[in-house]
Amino acid sequence: DVVMTQTPVSLPVSLGGQASISCRSSQSLVHSNGNTYLHWYLQKPGQSPQLLIYRVSNRFSGVPDRFSGSGSGTDFTLKISRVEPEDLGDYYCLQSTHFPDTFGAGTKLELK
Amino acid sequence: EVQLVESGGGLVQPGRSLKLSCAASGFTFSNYYMAWVRQAPKKGLEWVATISTSGSRTYYPDSVKGRFTISRDNAKSSLYLQMNSLKSEDTATYYCARNSGDYWGQGVMVTVSS
Repeated sequence: DVVMTQTPVSLPVSLGGQASISCRSSQSLVHSNGNTYLHWYLQKPGQSPQLLIYRVSNRFSGVPDRFSGSGSGTDFTLKISRVEPEDLGDYYCLQSTHFPDTFGAGTKLELK
Repeated sequence: EVQLVESGGGLVQPGRSLKLSCAASGFTFSNYYMAWVRQAPKKGLEWVATISTSGSRTYYPDSVKGRFTISRDNAKSSLYLQMNSLKSEDTATYYCARNSGDYWGQGVMVTVSS
């Protein structure tokens, strides 16, 4: 299975500041069709995961442009600018290029 | 509005069975692959099963293969997860989701304990 290594485990931030989360895969996530199926989710306390970014850099409907995704191959990054209180929670990356789908272990974004 | 509502969770003894259901609305259910994803208490996310639009193809990770069965009823816009030979490590919140990952239900808790 593809191993998704997410860092850091915990990320203290100040409101209005910037956060960056890394996700590295154990093999390239470029599919044979040329697409890269790497996605980012936010899980707020007591809620189900919500899709933020799909296929590396595409913001899902309603997601503010403070969230941006980048990367290629095996290295990917989620950046959050001007952090707001509703951004706090657990962030997960997910790869669906290779069977089975696998998630990163998560990054807890919390107040400094 | 897309809605996915899970039901059927609860406390079950090891070795017993349980069937989860997911009622879908707000989209054409029969057009989408569907999936179940679980999250053990205070842990990360684990994909559990996927089913094709017609139900003819199903996919499972090794951790549940042979014990769990995903199925669907397109006429009822419903998704199911039959869980047999349950183990303590199956204790988790189970989420129903469109396989595209864009919409998830609120989850249902399954506790396997004697």
